[in-house]
Amino acid sequence: GAGVSQSPRYKVTKRGQDVALRCDPISGHVSLYWYRQALGQGPEFLTYFNYEAQQDKSGLPNDRFSAERPEGSISTLTIQRTEQRDSAMYRCASSLVGADTEAFFGQGTRLTVV
Amino acid sequence: AQTVTQSQPEMSVQEAETVTLSCTYDTSESDYYLFWYKQPPSRQMILVIRQEAYKQQNATENRFSVNFQKAAKSFSLKISDSQLGDAAMYFCAYRRRRGGADGLTFGKGTHLIIQP
Repeated sequence: GAGVSQSPRYKVTKRGQDVALRCDPISGHVSLYWYRQALGQGPEFLTYFNYEAQQDKSGLPNDRFSAERPEGSISTLTIQRTEQRDSAMYRCASSLVGADTEAFFGQGTRLTVV
Repeated sequence: AQTVTQSQPEMSVQEAETVTLSCTYDTSESDYYLFWYKQPPSRQMILVIRQEAYKQQNATENRFSVNFQKAAKSFSLKISDSQLGDAAMYFCAYRRRRGGADGLTFGKGTHLIIQP
């Protein structure tokens, strides 16, 4: 697609429910990243993929968070048993492979846990 | 682990004036990239400028330029001839340079206000 697409744009869920956030990267982009941005803060790295392989998940806060990219394109970030502290903007970015390539960000999913 | 610090939560500048946003970072790596991203009220993340640590020359993009001081681990952004459209959150970010891609480490941001 023309840009990184995330869905849904907004999600309100009750505490304890599971949520799945979707990211559709720019066509041909090998690398895909997930970030979390709390209000008034900078984005915080969660995890990233090259193709379908998860390269680094050191930023995932706990085992309720997981991510997959089974076919090397669309990725899903899943949060199980959501808690209020999970409320944030979740951003996806994609890039061509290589540290010198620009990462393009999606519009984000605003998650609110009530 | 690397850290990025932006010590100015908010800055204000008159339209057409020049403003400098500060950023310092800490890393044990010798080869890395530094970035400034702009986040307007629409909450997009827009790359403003990028600096490779191995390059001594400071990066410039039109009205935007950086002052990269590697020994001091400082990376400030200068915006010349400020325009109303420059009003946004600005984030400094770091990425280490390896064979493949890597995640970005961001600062907490500086809110830039442009006074008409």
